[in-house]
Amino acid sequence: DIQMTQSPSSLSASVGDGVTITCRASQTISYHLNWYQQTPGKAPKLLIYAASKLQSGVPSRFRGSGSGADFTLSISSLKPEDFATYYCQQTNSYPHTFGQGTTVDI
Amino acid sequence: QVQLQESGPGLVRPSQTLSLTCTVSGASINNGGYYWSWIRQFSGKGLEWIGYVSEAGNTFLNPSLTSRLAMSVDTSKNQFSLRLTSVTAADTAVYYCARVPPGAPDAYALWGQGTKVIVSS
Repeated sequence: DIQMTQSPSSLSASVGDGVTITCRASQTISYHLNWYQQTPGKAPKLLIYAASKLQSGVPSRFRGSGSGADFTLSISSLKPEDFATYYCQQTNSYPHTFGQGTTVDI
Repeated sequence: QVQLQESGPGLVRPSQTLSLTCTVSGASINNGGYYWSWIRQFSGKGLEWIGYVSEAGNTFLNPSLTSRLAMSVDTSKNQFSLRLTSVTAADTAVYYCARVPPGAPDAYALWGQGTKVIVSS
């Protein structure tokens, strides 16, 4: 299985800050990388697919980049609703493994 | 508006079989070439991909679960299902169903709300 490692595991930020989360795959996965946001009690919500494509309806302050094995999710100018846990997922090969998550809190 | 809704027992005894169903509303399960997926989330928040099944019944399963796992589609009921045998406490999790569009890349854009399953005697 491809292992996905996110960093940091958690971070503290303030409304208006910009943050960056990284995700590293244990082997190259081309651009087959998704990012999700999850708030307590809810299902994960797709933000970014194919490493950099913004899912319909997701604000443009979310940006994904990277290819190969190293990827980043950047959030510019945090809003209160952005405080959540973020997960990456590779879909290059089965099983489609997830990172362990990064919690962004105030 | 397409929606997914999981259903199943909230409590399963160890060594028994877990059966979950995901009902698709707002669209036909056999229209569009979608893959119908199951994902679970443990209490420590980790997410595990269980597998998915095509509308034709072709399955792609997590190798760690294949010996205990089956997935199927029931087009007459517009549902797809998961069956996990010989469950243990390690199978306690929130189980989500999700829809994946055909063709790469696999984007899990539509999810159900999740159903909590506890394995306990």
